Amino acid sequence: AQKVTQAQTEISVVEKEDVTLDCVYETRDTTYYLFWYKQPPSGELVFLIRRNSFDEQNEISGRYSWNFQKSTSSFNFTITASQVVDSAVYFCALSVLSSGGSYIPTFGRGTSLIVHP
Amino acid sequence: EPEVTQTPSHQVTQMGQEVILRCVPISNHLYFYWYRQILGQKVEFLVSFYNNEISEKSEIFDDQFSVERPDGSNFTLKIRSTKLEDSAMYFCASFGTVPYEQYFGPGTRLTVT
Repeated sequence: AQKVTQAQTEISVVEKEDVTLDCVYETRDTTYYLFWYKQPPSGELVFLIRRNSFDEQNEISGRYSWNFQKSTSSFNFTITASQVVDSAVYFCALSVLSSGGSYIPTFGRGTSLIVHP
Repeated sequence: EPEVTQTPSHQVTQMGQEVILRCVPISNHLYFYWYRQILGQKVEFLVSFYNNEISEKSEIFDDQFSVERPDGSNFTLKIRSTKLEDSAMYFCASFGTVPYEQYFGPGTRLTVT
Protein backbone atom coordinates (compact mmCIF):
# COMPACT_ATOMS: atom_id res chain seq x y z
CA ALA A 1 0.00 0.00 0.00
CA GLN A 2 1.10 3.53 -0.67
CA LYS A 3 1.47 6.19 1.94
CA VAL A 4 2.31 9.88 1.92
CA THR A 5 3.26 11.71 5.08
CA GLN A 6 3.27 15.45 5.42
CA ALA A 7 4.31 15.87 9.00
CA GLN A 8 3.86 19.63 9.07
CA THR A 9 0.20 20.43 9.63
CA GLU A 10 0.62 24.18 9.55
CA ILE A 11 3.52 26.53 8.89
CA SER A 12 3.42 30.22 9.54
CA VAL A 13 6.04 32.56 8.08
CA VAL A 14 6.53 36.22 7.42
CA GLU A 15 6.67 37.45 3.87
CA LYS A 16 10.07 37.07 2.16
CA GLU A 17 11.08 34.15 4.32
CA ASP A 18 12.02 30.88 2.66
CA VAL A 19 9.92 27.88 3.63
CA THR A 20 10.26 24.15 3.00
CA LEU A 21 7.33 21.77 3.00
CA ASP A 22 8.24 18.18 3.73
CA CYS A 23 6.87 15.09 2.04
CA VAL A 24 7.86 11.50 2.78
CA TYR A 25 6.38 8.64 0.82
CA GLU A 26 6.21 4.86 1.01
CA THR A 27 5.77 2.45 -1.84
CA ARG A 28 7.14 -0.90 -2.98
CA ASP A 29 6.70 -0.02 -6.63
CA THR A 30 9.79 0.93 -8.56
CA THR A 31 7.84 3.07 -11.00
CA TYR A 32 5.85 5.84 -9.42
CA TYR A 33 5.05 9.51 -9.78
CA LEU A 34 5.15 12.26 -7.22
CA PHE A 35 3.11 15.43 -7.31
CA TRP A 36 2.60 18.66 -5.49
CA TYR A 37 -0.71 20.50 -5.60
CA LYS A 38 -1.69 23.86 -4.20
CA GLN A 39 -5.18 24.38 -2.81
CA PRO A 40 -5.97 28.06 -2.28
CA PRO A 41 -8.92 29.15 -0.14
CA SER A 42 -11.17 28.99 -3.20
CA GLY A 43 -10.79 25.20 -3.07
CA GLU A 44 -9.53 24.10 -6.45
CA LEU A 45 -6.47 21.89 -6.82
CA VAL A 46 -3.69 23.59 -8.71
CA PHE A 47 -1.09 21.26 -10.19
CA LEU A 48 2.47 22.40 -9.42
CA ILE A 49 4.83 19.61 -10.41
CA ARG A 50 5.16 15.94 -11.30
CA ARG A 51 8.32 13.83 -11.01
CA ASN A 52 8.78 10.21 -11.96
CA SER A 53 10.79 7.77 -9.89
CA PHE A 54 13.58 7.56 -12.43
CA ASP A 55 14.30 11.24 -12.51
CA GLU A 56 15.96 12.51 -9.38
CA GLN A 57 16.95 15.83 -10.82
CA ASN A 58 15.90 18.69 -8.66
CA GLU A 59 13.73 21.27 -10.31
CA ILE A 60 13.38 25.00 -9.99
CA SER A 61 10.51 27.04 -11.30
CA GLY A 62 10.74 30.68 -10.33
CA ARG A 63 10.49 30.88 -6.55
CA TYR A 64 9.56 27.20 -6.29
CA SER A 65 12.04 24.35 -6.08
CA TRP A 66 11.71 20.65 -5.41
CA ASN A 67 14.21 18.25 -3.90
CA PHE A 68 13.59 14.61 -4.73
CA GLN A 69 15.70 12.08 -2.82
CA LYS A 70 14.94 8.41 -3.35
CA SER A 71 17.43 7.41 -0.66
CA THR A 72 15.22 9.03 1.97
CA SER A 73 11.90 8.67 0.08
CA SER A 74 11.37 12.38 0.26
CA PHE A 75 10.07 14.98 -2.15
CA ASN A 76 10.36 18.33 -0.44
CA PHE A 77 9.10 21.63 -1.74
CA THR A 78 10.75 24.97 -1.07
CA ILE A 79 9.28 28.40 -1.65
CA THR A 80 11.90 31.12 -1.75
CA ALA A 81 10.99 34.64 -0.67
CA SER A 82 7.45 33.69 0.24
CA GLN A 83 4.57 36.01 -0.58
CA VAL A 84 1.11 36.41 0.90
CA VAL A 85 -0.37 34.86 -2.26
CA ASP A 86 1.47 31.65 -1.42
CA SER A 87 -0.89 31.14 1.51
CA ALA A 88 -2.71 27.89 0.77
CA VAL A 89 -2.82 24.22 1.64
CA TYR A 90 -0.18 22.23 -0.20
CA PHE A 91 -0.66 18.55 -0.91
CA CYS A 92 1.96 16.01 -1.83
CA ALA A 93 0.70 12.95 -3.72
CA LEU A 94 2.09 9.62 -4.87
CA SER A 95 0.76 7.71 -7.87
CA VAL A 96 1.46 4.09 -8.81
CA LEU A 97 -0.11 1.75 -11.33
CA SER A 98 -3.08 0.13 -9.69
CA SER A 99 -4.43 -3.38 -10.24
CA GLY A 100 -7.15 -1.84 -12.37
CA GLY A 101 -4.61 -0.43 -14.77
CA SER A 102 -4.80 3.22 -13.87
CA TYR A 103 -2.72 5.61 -11.84
CA ILE A 104 -4.52 6.70 -8.70
CA PRO A 105 -2.81 9.26 -6.52
CA THR A 106 -2.60 8.85 -2.79
CA PHE A 107 -2.59 12.25 -1.14
CA GLY A 108 -0.93 13.39 2.03
CA ARG A 109 -2.94 15.28 4.62
CA GLY A 110 -1.63 18.59 3.41
CA THR A 111 0.38 21.43 4.95
CA SER A 112 -1.35 24.71 5.53
CA LEU A 113 1.03 27.56 4.76
CA ILE A 114 0.22 30.98 6.13
CA VAL A 115 2.34 33.86 4.93
CA HIS A 116 1.95 37.03 6.96
CA PRO A 117 2.65 40.43 5.43
CA GLU B 1 -5.55 24.84 -22.55
CA PRO B 2 -8.30 22.21 -22.21
CA GLU B 3 -9.82 21.87 -18.78
CA VAL B 4 -12.18 19.73 -16.76
CA THR B 5 -15.35 21.53 -15.75
CA GLN B 6 -17.78 20.72 -12.96
CA THR B 7 -21.29 21.86 -12.16
CA PRO B 8 -22.63 23.10 -9.90
CA SER B 9 -19.86 24.79 -7.98
CA HIS B 10 -21.88 24.55 -4.79
CA GLN B 11 -24.90 22.41 -4.00
CA VAL B 12 -26.94 22.43 -0.83
CA THR B 13 -29.28 19.53 -0.25
CA GLN B 14 -31.31 18.02 2.54
CA MET B 15 -30.42 14.72 4.13
CA GLY B 16 -32.01 11.83 2.29
CA GLN B 17 -32.20 13.62 -1.03
CA GLU B 18 -30.53 12.43 -4.19
CA VAL B 19 -27.85 14.59 -5.79
CA ILE B 20 -26.12 14.39 -9.12
CA LEU B 21 -22.77 16.06 -9.56
CA ARG B 22 -21.74 16.73 -13.10
CA CYS B 23 -18.38 16.80 -14.79
CA VAL B 24 -17.24 17.41 -18.32
CA PRO B 25 -13.83 15.77 -18.75
CA ILE B 26 -11.33 16.80 -21.38
CA SER B 27 -12.74 15.63 -24.70
CA ASN B 28 -10.18 13.05 -25.81
CA HIS B 29 -9.54 11.61 -22.36
CA LEU B 30 -10.31 8.01 -21.60
CA TYR B 31 -10.09 7.63 -17.82
CA PHE B 32 -12.36 9.45 -15.44
CA TYR B 33 -12.25 9.76 -11.69
CA TRP B 34 -14.12 11.11 -8.71
CA TYR B 35 -12.43 12.17 -5.50
CA ARG B 36 -13.78 13.51 -2.24
CA GLN B 37 -12.29 15.94 0.24
CA ILE B 38 -14.03 16.40 3.56
CA LEU B 39 -13.37 19.89 4.86
CA GLY B 40 -9.88 20.21 6.26
CA GLN B 41 -8.89 16.69 5.30
CA LYS B 42 -7.01 15.02 2.50
CA VAL B 43 -8.26 14.22 -0.97
CA GLU B 44 -9.57 10.65 -1.18
CA PHE B 45 -10.14 8.49 -4.22
CA LEU B 46 -13.70 7.33 -4.81
CA VAL B 47 -13.89 5.67 -8.21
CA SER B 48 -12.28 5.38 -11.62
CA PHE B 49 -14.18 4.77 -14.84
CA TYR B 50 -12.89 3.46 -18.14
CA ASN B 51 -14.58 2.11 -21.24
CA ASN B 52 -18.03 2.75 -19.80
CA GLU B 53 -17.53 0.82 -16.63
CA ILE B 54 -16.03 1.17 -13.20
CA SER B 55 -12.40 0.06 -13.23
CA GLU B 56 -11.72 0.62 -9.55
CA LYS B 57 -13.46 1.89 -6.48
CA SER B 58 -12.55 2.60 -2.91
CA GLU B 59 -14.24 1.48 0.28
CA ILE B 60 -15.94 4.86 0.45
CA PHE B 61 -17.77 4.18 -2.81
CA ASP B 62 -20.63 2.11 -1.42
CA ASP B 63 -24.08 1.35 -2.81
CA GLN B 64 -25.20 4.93 -2.22
CA PHE B 65 -22.89 6.08 -4.99
CA SER B 66 -23.05 5.49 -8.70
CA VAL B 67 -21.32 6.91 -11.73
CA GLU B 68 -22.43 7.24 -15.27
CA ARG B 69 -21.30 8.59 -18.58
CA PRO B 70 -24.72 9.31 -20.06
CA ASP B 71 -23.41 10.80 -23.29
CA GLY B 72 -20.11 11.47 -24.95
CA SER B 73 -19.22 14.41 -22.79
CA ASN B 74 -20.68 14.24 -19.30
CA PHE B 75 -19.52 12.14 -16.38
CA THR B 76 -21.79 12.11 -13.35
CA LEU B 77 -21.63 11.07 -9.73
CA LYS B 78 -24.95 10.28 -8.08
CA ILE B 79 -25.49 9.98 -4.37
CA ARG B 80 -28.84 8.29 -3.84
CA SER B 81 -29.72 9.28 -0.31
CA THR B 82 -27.38 11.87 1.07
CA LYS B 83 -26.13 11.81 4.64
CA LEU B 84 -24.62 14.62 6.67
CA GLU B 85 -21.20 12.99 6.31
CA ASP B 86 -21.40 13.28 2.53
CA SER B 87 -20.76 17.01 2.93
CA ALA B 88 -17.46 17.53 1.15
CA MET B 89 -15.76 18.90 -1.92
CA TYR B 90 -16.03 16.49 -4.83
CA PHE B 91 -13.40 16.62 -7.53
CA CYS B 92 -13.65 15.12 -10.96
CA ALA B 93 -10.47 14.29 -12.87
CA SER B 94 -9.60 12.82 -16.22
CA PHE B 95 -6.56 11.69 -18.11
CA GLY B 96 -5.85 10.55 -21.60
CA THR B 97 -2.79 9.10 -23.16
CA VAL B 98 -0.39 10.20 -20.44
CA PRO B 99 -1.46 7.76 -17.75
CA TYR B 100 -0.10 9.56 -14.74
CA GLU B 101 -1.18 13.07 -15.64
CA GLN B 102 -4.56 13.76 -14.13
CA TYR B 103 -6.41 16.96 -14.78
CA PHE B 104 -8.63 17.99 -11.89
CA GLY B 105 -11.80 19.98 -12.16
CA PRO B 106 -12.47 22.93 -9.85
CA GLY B 107 -14.68 20.85 -7.56
CA THR B 108 -18.27 20.88 -6.38
CA ARG B 109 -18.86 21.75 -2.77
CA LEU B 110 -21.72 19.62 -1.47
CA THR B 111 -23.42 20.67 1.75
CA VAL B 112 -25.95 18.27 3.27
CA THR B 113 -28.22 19.80 5.91
